[in-house]
Order: sequence, then C-alpha cells, then structure tokens
Amino acid sequence: QVTLKESGPALLKPTQTLTLTCDFSGFSLSTSGMCVSWVRQSPGKALEWLALIDWDNDKYYSASLKTRLTISKDTSRNRVVLAMTNMDPVDTATYYCARYHFTNNVFDSWGQGILVTVPS
Amino acid sequence: QSVLTQPASVSGSPGQSITVSCTGTSSDIGNNNYVSWYQQYPGKAPKVIIFDVYNRPSGVSSRFSGSKSGNTASLTISDLQADDEADYYCCSFARSIEPIFGSGTKVSV
Repeated sequence: QVTLKESGPALLKPTQTLTLTCDFSGFSLSTSGMCVSWVRQSPGKALEWLALIDWDNDKYYSASLKTRLTISKDTSRNRVVLAMTNMDPVDTATYYCARYHFTNNVFDSWGQGILVTVPS
Repeated sequence: QSVLTQPASVSGSPGQSITVSCTGTSSDIGNNNYVSWYQQYPGKAPKVIIFDVYNRPSGVSSRFSGSKSGNTASLTISDLQADDEADYYCCSFARSIEPIFGSGTKVSV
C-alpha cells in the first residue's frame, strides 16, 4: 500500500522560507520511473504543480516559481523535501505531495495535504 | 504557467450522463496522449480516475470514461450518482516535463 504524508509548519511570516517534508512508504524512489512531486492549491482555486524529483535525482520546477523552489530526496529514509523561499500571503495554500509515474505521467497517489498560511 | 480551460460548473440529474471538457493547445493536449483526470471532494486530496486519455485505474467505476479530440480532452460520467458531486481537474503536459492542470469543474448532481 502506497502512502504519503506531508509535514511542516502551518503558519509562516512573509519573507520566511517554507520547508515541507513528504514521508512515503510502499514504493522506492530508486525504482526506475518513480517520482515524487509537489502540488499546491490555494483556497478555492485550482491545482498548481510546483516541483518533481525522479528516481535518477533529476529535478524539475514550475517555470514561474523556479527561482524560489528547491526539491531534494533522501532515498534511504523514503523522504522528499521541498523548500520555498520568500513566502508571501499569496502562497497560502494546501500543499500536497504525490507519487508520479514517469511512464504515463500520472499522479497516482496523494498525501492528505498540509495547509500553510502566510498572514498579511 | 498556462492553465487548461474547463467549464466552471456542470450539472446533471441522477442517472443522466454529463461531459466535462478540457481545452488546451497544440503544445499540450494536442501534442501527447498523457491526459489524466482527478476527482476531488471538499477538503480531500485529489484522486486519479482517468490516465493516458481513457484508461481507468483499478477500482475506478466504469461510469467514468475519457476521450480526446485535437486540443480538447473530455471526461464523461454516465449514470450520474450523488457521490459524483465533486470537483474535477484535467492534467496534461507541454513539451517540457511541466504538468499543467485544468481550471477545475464543479460537478453538481
């Protein structure tokens, strides 16, 4: 059974750096084709893809947020970490980590999400 | 980041069929067969219901079906049920690896 769970701060101040952790089980990020991605959703808004790291440690970022994002993995601990710098109230959102299959480009398992609030 | 265009809302009566469209461009939907659809209940994480345009993951009802024509993908829900009331998002890819989500459609029953 594949599970993913996000953890991190629920509240941040503007300009601070957000660090989110995704702990997963049921698969290995060293298996060819396996990836973990981050997706966020502002309140009442659509899903927005942020970043992805693959089995070969290649990293991909949203073009619009690339300068603020860093994704990394610890394969032995089944963990992926996302850092987002210079947080702003517009970054208030629920942040999800999800398993992603490179073979058919599908997010097939999702964490429960974590709401991160940046007050103005 | 570009967004795929979906109708804001679609409604239907129990037992009816409805179709949710997802319009992109020749650079994304029109350029590959990697269209997926996600169902999301309020306060819950999304769940994949269609991938590779028309494939259903194990356990997903056959009442959900997907298709694509040109730059537009579609999700059809047949025999609409109360439990189908949720938000639905399409997803595809541009020439780069960057996934693109749709604007989302609220389905009301």
